[in-house]
Amino acid sequence: QQQVKQSPQSLIVQKGGISIINCAYENTAFDYFPWYQQFPGKGPALLIAIRPDVSEKKEGRFTISFNKSAKQFSLHIMDSQPGDSATYFCAASGTSGTYKYIFGTGTRLKVLA
Amino acid sequence: GAGVSQSPRYKVTKRGQDVALRCDPISGHVSLYWYRQALGQGPEFLTYFNYEAQQDKSGLPNDRFSAERPEGSISTLTIQRTEQRDSAMYRCASSLQGQLGSPLHFGNGTRLTVT
Repeated sequence: QQQVKQSPQSLIVQKGGISIINCAYENTAFDYFPWYQQFPGKGPALLIAIRPDVSEKKEGRFTISFNKSAKQFSLHIMDSQPGDSATYFCAASGTSGTYKYIFGTGTRLKVLA
Repeated sequence: GAGVSQSPRYKVTKRGQDVALRCDPISGHVSLYWYRQALGQGPEFLTYFNYEAQQDKSGLPNDRFSAERPEGSISTLTIQRTEQRDSAMYRCASSLQGQLGSPLHFGNGTRLTVT
């Protein structure tokens, strides 16, 4: 129940295309859903986050879509660029208990020039 | 520097030895987390502090693992009697406030190899 399932494991997109990464969770106590971006040799860095009171959040080329009834959320990267090539992790946390973040297994994105 | 600092960057140790991994969080950050990240996997929660109090240690794999943050700043993760399965990247993260929505700032990690 503590898992966050992420797919696909890897993704190759042409420059200018749309990258879509999906996550699903089971624990209904989760109420904060961030996405982290990780470049080789670096730690994950917060990209964008959403709370379940909204169905979509957009920041520049990055959009989170959230479906509370399905317990799913996804990251869309519009106009994907080679510089977006990285590993992306979804995560979930909740206000019950401690604020530990449960991370997905990651998606390795490669954007072809 | 302004980021989370971890040391050492790499640690190679023989099986059975104890190791201590250090994390220096961003100044003023209340919360400090330890995660373990296997190659090709997401960070796995180990433990979490608010100030000097260990709030949750449910992710520590067994009693060979312990962590402390005695003055509410620097933290040490100690692994006793290391085993090969302990080999992984250990990441520390800190956040400004121990509340939902406070972003985690990760360090570059300590790569532990147990031979």
